[in-house]
Amino acid sequence: GESVGLHLPTLSVQEGDNSIINCAYSNSASDYFIWYKQESGKGPQFIIDIRSNMDKRQGQRVTVLLNKTVKHLSLQIAATQPGDSAVYFCAENFFSGYSTLTFGKGTMLLVSP
Amino acid sequence: EAEVAQSPRYKITEKSQAVAFWCDPISGHATLYWYRQILGQGPELLVQFQDESVVDDSQLPKDRFSAERLKGVDSTLKIQPAELGDSAMYLCASSIRQGDNEQFFGPGTRLTVL
Repeated sequence: GESVGLHLPTLSVQEGDNSIINCAYSNSASDYFIWYKQESGKGPQFIIDIRSNMDKRQGQRVTVLLNKTVKHLSLQIAATQPGDSAVYFCAENFFSGYSTLTFGKGTMLLVSP
Repeated sequence: EAEVAQSPRYKITEKSQAVAFWCDPISGHATLYWYRQILGQGPELLVQFQDESVVDDSQLPKDRFSAERLKGVDSTLKIQPAELGDSAMYLCASSIRQGDNEQFFGPGTRLTVL
């Protein structure tokens, strides 16, 4: 399949390791922060979101941390699997009459067996 | 499992020609989005519909791009005339309601303008 990961920051991990993907956001007024996963040749897929008044949210094998002081968002993936290999994008959702998702720069995660 | 359908998957055209992309969202999803994704970057919103109405088209280059969702179901995005800089992946997404964080994306149409 085609790659959407050219010239992207890349994180390489071994299967079973924990992965941490970071993102800096720009809009302090955003209502939600979201992580999407994009596999080669596919559209992005929603992973998890966090409301702006929270600092941590856990899902299945994933945890999102929000630090509003430094405008930083992170995605932690526990026990990373080869199927987690993809490009990961953070996004902000800002509501002002209507909502708009603004995607950040992606990070490619490569998981070796 | 319901999915967003897009066609064609790939399109090669010459500059100054017209191209059109089609999207069929998940049934019952009121909100439909068209994004453009340049290789290596995140998707950028072009236009957003709520049912048949345009909610936001502030980033749509209206001199050459148009989008419609006449019956509030499927949608068409058109480019006329295409320019070299339009080469990109065009993604369609839908969500149950406006404002949802979870948008469901189709596989995209890869456009190459020669």
